[in-house]
Amino acid sequence: AQRVTQPEKLLSVFKGAPVELKCNYSYSGSPELFWYVQYSRQRLQLLLRHISRESIKGFTADLNKGETSFHLKKPFAQEEDSAMYYCALRDAYSGAGSYQLTFGKGTKLSVIP
Amino acid sequence: EAGVVQSPRYKIIEKKQPVAFWCNPISGHNTLYWYRQNLGQGPELLIRYENEEAVDDSQLPKDRFSAERLKGVDSTLKIQPAELGDSAVYLCASSLAFRGRTETQYFGPGTRLLVL
Repeated sequence: AQRVTQPEKLLSVFKGAPVELKCNYSYSGSPELFWYVQYSRQRLQLLLRHISRESIKGFTADLNKGETSFHLKKPFAQEEDSAMYYCALRDAYSGAGSYQLTFGKGTKLSVIP
Repeated sequence: EAGVVQSPRYKIIEKKQPVAFWCNPISGHNTLYWYRQNLGQGPELLIRYENEEAVDDSQLPKDRFSAERLKGVDSTLKIQPAELGDSAVYLCASSLAFRGRTETQYFGPGTRLLVL
């Protein structure tokens, strides 16, 4: 069974401070990890996926298979980063076609001016 | 591009009443998903379609929930009869799968259901 754990429901940081949103997963197969973000009154949207190895809006995330983690990091938080963040997992070898995403419960990030 | 369209955006009904949600995916997307998001939780998959075929409905409560995707485009999710515990946000998502690649899932704005 797939499981994604986000231990913090709420994370508050000051503007300019570093941010780390934690995500741990449990999966016996080979996972592909994602971070989705939902800004206030907007729809859920993809922020980044680990296979892309890119930085989006200053955020990065590295898959650590040894620690089964995929923490989201940003060196300097901005007010516009305030949102709900969801970590999600899929089977990397589910092939082409549709696939099931398993989501964590989400962490609400609040950046204090 | 309007993205994934869902209607209605909000629905309030009394328990035991039927309710239906509609989803129009992004043009050209051949895969479609329905998720349910309870308060304080992440989205959970109910059913996923590849074209008009439901390839995974294992998490759909079939005693009261039904879904269809006629012609492999729009989809409707129905609950009959609704129960108090069905109060949640129902999300539709779509993606494109072709030539061995699977693209990102794009989500709609959701339908917020309140059962009284």
